Amino acid sequence: DIQMTQSPSSLSASVGDRVTITCRASQTITSYLNWYQQKPGRAPKLLIYGTSSLQSGVPSRFSGSGSGTDFTLTIRSLQPEDFATYFCQQTYNIPYTFGQGTKLEIK
Amino acid sequence: EVQLVESGGGLVQPGGSLRLSCAASGFTFRSYWMHWVRQAPGKGLIWVSRIGSDGSSTDYADFVKGRFTVSRDNAKSTLYLQMNSLRAEDTAVYYCAKFTYSYDTSGRRALRYFDSWGQGTLVTVSS
Repeated sequence: DIQMTQSPSSLSASVGDRVTITCRASQTITSYLNWYQQKPGRAPKLLIYGTSSLQSGVPSRFSGSGSGTDFTLTIRSLQPEDFATYFCQQTYNIPYTFGQGTKLEIK
Repeated sequence: EVQLVESGGGLVQPGGSLRLSCAASGFTFRSYWMHWVRQAPGKGLIWVSRIGSDGSSTDYADFVKGRFTVSRDNAKSTLYLQMNSLRAEDTAVYYCAKFTYSYDTSGRRALRYFDSWGQGTLVTVSS
């Protein structure tokens, strides 16, 4: 199975900050990397697919980059509604594994 | 609007069985692969199973192989997960997710992602 490792596991930031979350795969996954946002008690929501494509309706302050084994999610100018947990996911091979999550908290 | 609504969760004793359902609407259900993902309380997301659009292809995570069975009824636009021999470690919220396979605008890069999720149904395995 492909292991996905996110860092950091948690992050404190302020409204207006720029934050970056990284995700590393244990082997190449080319560009089969997606990012999801999850708020407490809610289902995950797709933000970014195929490493860098923004899902419809997702604000443009979210962006993704990377290839191979190393990927990043960047949130430019944090808004109050962005405080949540973020998960990366590889869809290169079954089982489609997720990172352990990054909890983004208000400083 | 795409909607996925899970049901069937609840409290079950170790060794027991449950069948989860996921009712789909707002898209052509029979054209899409569907997946199950679970999340133990306070933990991360774990992929469980998938089923092909016509139901002929299925895959499972090793930890549920031989115990869980995924199926679908395209006439009813409903996905199922039959869970047998349940264990305490199966306690989780179970989500169904719609899987999309497409290409980018260049037509050269394939894209695979879960673009819609249900609200989840909680399964608790405890005596």
